[in-house]
Amino acid sequence: DGGITQSPKYLFRKEGQNVTLSCEQNLNHDAMYWYRQDPGQGLRLIYYSQIVNDFQKGDIAEGYSVSREKKESFPLTVTSAQKNPTAFYLCASSIESSRFADTQYFGPGTRLTVL
Amino acid sequence: AQSVTQLDSHVSVSEGTPVLLRCNYSSSYSPSLFWYVQHPNKGLQLLLKYTSAATLVKGINGFEAEFKKSETSFHLTKPSAHMSDAAEYFCVVSNSGGFKTIFGAGTRLFVKA
Repeated sequence: DGGITQSPKYLFRKEGQNVTLSCEQNLNHDAMYWYRQDPGQGLRLIYYSQIVNDFQKGDIAEGYSVSREKKESFPLTVTSAQKNPTAFYLCASSIESSRFADTQYFGPGTRLTVL
Repeated sequence: AQSVTQLDSHVSVSEGTPVLLRCNYSSSYSPSLFWYVQHPNKGLQLLLKYTSAATLVKGINGFEAEFKKSETSFHLTKPSAHMSDAAEYFCVVSNSGGFKTIFGAGTRLFVKA
């Protein structure tokens, strides 16, 4: 079964803590993305990666960091510098992003709540 | 510059009646356009995609959308709503000549029995 998995499904963080959200895909896709979703808003791009060991900032990268050491994995760290991290986080992948018109395939999401 | 506007934040229909979810876009280049559906606390699933082939695009679950360049619209329709269609729907524009994907704010569809 090919797809994208995200873990955990729910995550609670105390203020001042860093947390890491996992995203794994077995679709053999080159490109991977992290989005943040807030109520009443569309998805906003945090980071994207077109290839292993390379990634680019999206529209709202401040307070977040990523790595892409393996093709199938693209973890997102929400740092203590992120002022309002409570949100639903979605990971996606596509065959390639050089055209950015490829269909993106989404994971089930992680809901992060800051206590 | 690209943008996408979903004209209704909420739409309510009765089961068995038609569905219309409206989307207008702007793009400097020939756009690719998508509709995705999201059920509560789930990821997004592709419904359909337009990439400059036929202007009427058929998708999954009986949905279709028509690309109208003169009106810069890409409205999503379904002839008969089902209870399982209740979800949030996102219109998305992507620039095939550039590096940007823009999501609309979403339209929540309610289906009444």
